[in-house]
Amino acid sequence: DSGVTQTPKHLITATGQRVTLRCSPRSGDLSVYWYQQSLDQGLQFLIHYYNGEERAKGNILERFSAQQFPDLHSELNLSSLELGDSALYFCASSVGSASWEANYGYTFGSGTRLTVV
Amino acid sequence: DAKTTQPPSMDCAEGRAANLPCNHSTISGNEYVYWYRQIHSQGPQYIIHGLKNNETNEMASLIITEDRKSSTLILPHATLRDTAVYYCIDSGGGADGLTFGKGTHLIIQP
Repeated sequence: DSGVTQTPKHLITATGQRVTLRCSPRSGDLSVYWYQQSLDQGLQFLIHYYNGEERAKGNILERFSAQQFPDLHSELNLSSLELGDSALYFCASSVGSASWEANYGYTFGSGTRLTVV
Repeated sequence: DAKTTQPPSMDCAEGRAANLPCNHSTISGNEYVYWYRQIHSQGPQYIIHGLKNNETNEMASLIITEDRKSSTLILPHATLRDTAVYYCIDSGGGADGLTFGKGTHLIIQP
């Protein structure tokens, strides 16, 4: 158990639908990162939140959005789902500031496997 | 895109040392070298990181060349459970997170 909790572990939904993935960071970590891993793209950084505020965006589609709540858990919302959105979605947490991250790295959750049919 | 270069796959016999190379010729002075691994479809697992000195922990050793353009991850006594994709990443630990390449698929042979 890495200390980062992701729910649900598996999700099957139809095209056009909307889903919400949840991530609880490791205790004491203020930063949450979301990654998408599909077979042909590898691990792609989506978005980063620090203490409730968006810090950086990566290759995140406009149909996707995220937020981090006061208790520091984060949710990734995926809407108007397409077959190509089928992937593993990971979140990672870290203490927060750049210097701390350089020293302590990132802790990943076990992921949510999304299948769009 | 990833800034590091790794061989796509490697084999190693169980019980032997596994040496995984990585080229990071464009690394900046404030960027660390991180190594992560991903076993099957599990979440990536942190192994070790370093700036310019060699590092060792309970999982592995990291050897960084003096010019910092390349490094080697050493698993001293590989076991079957070390079969995984190993990612080498250079990062300053900034807001953009880590940029993963395709990594090296290490297969430990019995």
